[in-house]
Amino acid sequence: QITLRESGPTLVKPTQTLTLTCTFSGFSLTTRGVGVGWIRQPPGKALEWLALIYWDDEKRYSPSLKNRLTIIKDTSKNQVVLRVTNMDPVDTATYFCAHELDGDFDSWGQGALVTVSS
Amino acid sequence: SYELTQSPSVSVSPGQTATITCSGDKLGTKYVSWYQQKPGQSPLIVIYQDTKRPSGIPERFSGANSGHTATLTISETQTVDEADYYCLAWDSSTVFGGGTKVTVL
Repeated sequence: QITLRESGPTLVKPTQTLTLTCTFSGFSLTTRGVGVGWIRQPPGKALEWLALIYWDDEKRYSPSLKNRLTIIKDTSKNQVVLRVTNMDPVDTATYFCAHELDGDFDSWGQGALVTVSS
Repeated sequence: SYELTQSPSVSVSPGQTATITCSGDKLGTKYVSWYQQKPGQSPLIVIYQDTKRPSGIPERFSGANSGHTATLTISETQTVDEADYYCLAWDSSTVFGGGTKVTVL
């Protein structure tokens, strides 16, 4: 059974860097073809894909946000970390991590609400 | 950048068929997946690779993809199917549609 859990601060100030950790179980990020992605959802709005990291350390980023995003993995800890620089109130959202295989997000974490406010 | 367009809302009576569309340039040449999201919950994949249902997803959910439009069909819609539905495809990057709110009344 695959499980994922997001953790990190619930409140960040504008201009700060957000660091979120996705801790997972039930799969290995060393298995060929497997990836972990980050998706966010502002309150009352649509899902927005942010970043993906694959088993071979290939990384992909949303074109509109790639200058602010960094995704890394720690396979020994079964964790994936997302960093978002220069946070702004418009970045207030629930941030999800998800297991990705063949382009599909087939298991999701519960999400972590991050509010950006001074 | 690539865009996927969904109609904002669909209303359907219980027992009837709900049709949710997702349009994008040459979408039929890409794989599409569909996600159901109920209030306060994480998204749940209901269709992947255009037409396939994950285990545990009822048979009343089906998908199709051709030309510039992908379709999610919910046959014999039930009140438990009331949710937001999002399509997803990959072009040069992963893209979600804007979501369709399905109301069953």
